[in-house]
Amino acid sequence: DGGITQSPKYLFRKEGQNVTLSCEQNLNHDAMYWYRQDPGQGLRLIYYSQIVNDFQKGDIAEGYSVSREKKESFPLTVTSAQKNPTAFYLCASNMGSGETEAFFGQGTRLTVV
Amino acid sequence: GQSLEQPSEVTAVEGAIVQINCTYQTSGFYGLSWYQQHDGGAPTFLSYNGLDGLEETGRFSSFLSRSDSYGYLLLQELQMKDSASYFCAVLGAGGSYIPTFGRGTSLIVHP
Repeated sequence: DGGITQSPKYLFRKEGQNVTLSCEQNLNHDAMYWYRQDPGQGLRLIYYSQIVNDFQKGDIAEGYSVSREKKESFPLTVTSAQKNPTAFYLCASNMGSGETEAFFGQGTRLTVV
Repeated sequence: GQSLEQPSEVTAVEGAIVQINCTYQTSGFYGLSWYQQHDGGAPTFLSYNGLDGLEETGRFSSFLSRSDSYGYLLLQELQMKDSASYFCAVLGAGGSYIPTFGRGTSLIVHP
């Protein structure tokens, strides 16, 4: 079955640690996105990539980093520089320019303890 | 900058009709999408309006007025399973097809 897989579903991190969230898709999509969701805040764009080996900052990129070495994979690293990392993180993908629908993974809930 | 406004919460009873409004201000605009998200789950695409008018998909319809920078999602014959959050999303902000989302409307359906 085609889709987007995020792992892990739940993640706990100690303050000061970096952590990497996985996002893999087998839909042959060119574009991939990372959103952060907080209660009452909607979905805010962290980073996006429209092609392999290229990515751009979104609205709230500070404290995050990404890579796009393969078309299928777009991992997000939450660094210790992110002041308030506890949130629900959603990965999405689509064919990019001209595409009206985005397909989402099931999300990773990150909690800093 | 860009902004999307939608009500934070709407309540209705089973079998009723409910309308969720969305107004937007963006630097560019291609169209308006709607997504549904059940608690703790993945947002799923419901509809897209690129042109003015009404798009119907089963019990759900979506409307767009580009001149008024306004759209709505209409849900008919409400069912308990429709209890979820609904997000409008603009495509075209800044000239790109990257979805820019509103804060979401929590729909609560009562028996």
